[in-house]
Amino acid sequence: AQTVTQSQPEMSVQEAETVTLSCTYDTSESDYYLFWYKQPPSRQMILVIRQEAYKQQNATENRFSVNFQKAAKSFSLKISDSQLGDAAMYFCAYRSGSQGGSEKLVFGKGTKLTVNP
Amino acid sequence: GAVVSQHPSWVICKSGTSVKIECRSLDFQATTMFWYRQFPKQSLMLMATSNEGSKATYEQGVEKDKFLINHASLTLSTLTVTSAHPEDSSFYICSASHPGRATYEQYFGPGTRLTVT
Repeated sequence: AQTVTQSQPEMSVQEAETVTLSCTYDTSESDYYLFWYKQPPSRQMILVIRQEAYKQQNATENRFSVNFQKAAKSFSLKISDSQLGDAAMYFCAYRSGSQGGSEKLVFGKGTKLTVNP
Repeated sequence: GAVVSQHPSWVICKSGTSVKIECRSLDFQATTMFWYRQFPKQSLMLMATSNEGSKATYEQGVEKDKFLINHASLTLSTLTVTSAHPEDSSFYICSASHPGRATYEQYFGPGTRLTVT
């Protein structure tokens, strides 16, 4: 079974600075997708960024980018120019891409990010 | 867009009664929807996967007779908590898998806070 590990329960960053959240996963599959979701205090889950395992290029969405290391099974999220609105719980998630594979998302335990003014 | 709504956003019910939570995909058709439960400061726990027109698939340890799931159309899934007890008090979140997106990411509803008195 696939597992997702977020080793940092909490992180903090100064406004305008850069922070990196770590995520590692374990799988025997070669085809899969990885996601970062954000859950602010409102508790609405928001998709931040997605990465297809077959793509070597790291995904980028404005101030958010990932460092995808397939061999190391690592998928870290970098937030540049941190803003107060980035304060939230961040969840790393895995989804199988295999034909007939599970559609379920496997979540990590989350990292609480605090942004200090 | 990919908007998922949930209703109600919060509900209080008496012990022994049943409560229904609705999950709708507003601007896309979702063949698969998911129901999660989230305890404070914890990650999301998948309860069941709901496929339109067929029986839901429950995760191990989830009582299917207590948490009734119906996916009657491509835009609506419902979760009914039957004979609710205080230990069922929690935050329930639904999500829908977007078939039009190559990565099949899930889009989440805003959640429903259930309090059983």
